[in-house]
Amino acid sequence: RKEVEQDPGPFNVPEGATVAFNCTYSNSASQSFFWYRQDCRKEPKLLMSVYSSGNEDGRFTAQLNRASQYISLLIRDSKLSDSATYLCVVNLDTDKLIFGTGTRLQVFP
Amino acid sequence: EPEVTQTPSHQVTQMGQEVILRCVPISNHLYFYWYRQILGQKVEFLVSFYNNEISEKSEIFDDQFSVERPDGSNFTLKIRSTKLEDSAMYFCASGGENTGELFFGEGSRLTVL
Repeated sequence: RKEVEQDPGPFNVPEGATVAFNCTYSNSASQSFFWYRQDCRKEPKLLMSVYSSGNEDGRFTAQLNRASQYISLLIRDSKLSDSATYLCVVNLDTDKLIFGTGTRLQVFP
Repeated sequence: EPEVTQTPSHQVTQMGQEVILRCVPISNHLYFYWYRQILGQKVEFLVSFYNNEISEKSEIFDDQFSVERPDGSNFTLKIRSTKLEDSAMYFCASGGENTGELFFGEGSRLTVL
């Protein structure tokens, strides 16, 4: 089983749509969780951390289910500028982040 | 806004040649990393560096790879004898106390012919 697994997509959605991405991780000892965003041929950038109680940042909501080892990201009111690859990232309380393969989102007008 | 800078942005080399990729992390950060991303694939951890030594490395980071922080600002990745499969984008990253929030450089694209 992959350490961090994501549906690669692509998800093609119209502007204004709500879209949800899921991610599962294999190591139950994982300590912290993040969503990064990567634009085409660019570096990854932190979008948001994911907290146990769930957290929201504007149009973005992240959820964590430790029992199911599942993380989600919900984007409301999609904008054209949201088009990117969304990377689910897990930290085992070591010095390394483990990246999923990413889910590609394309928002169209 | 402080940023991680990497040079060169693109390097083309012949198989078997040595390559050095350079990075200047954010100045007050303590943790430094190299990741790589083969085209179309996921971002893979190579090595982390803290307190002037390697703190963790992946199985990709074999004897052909080394890292140095020679002068307190630069952080370099050396590949001693490049192979075709080393062709990838190499990202340097640095982080402060919160090691989940990493700041990545724009990457150095390495092409091995």
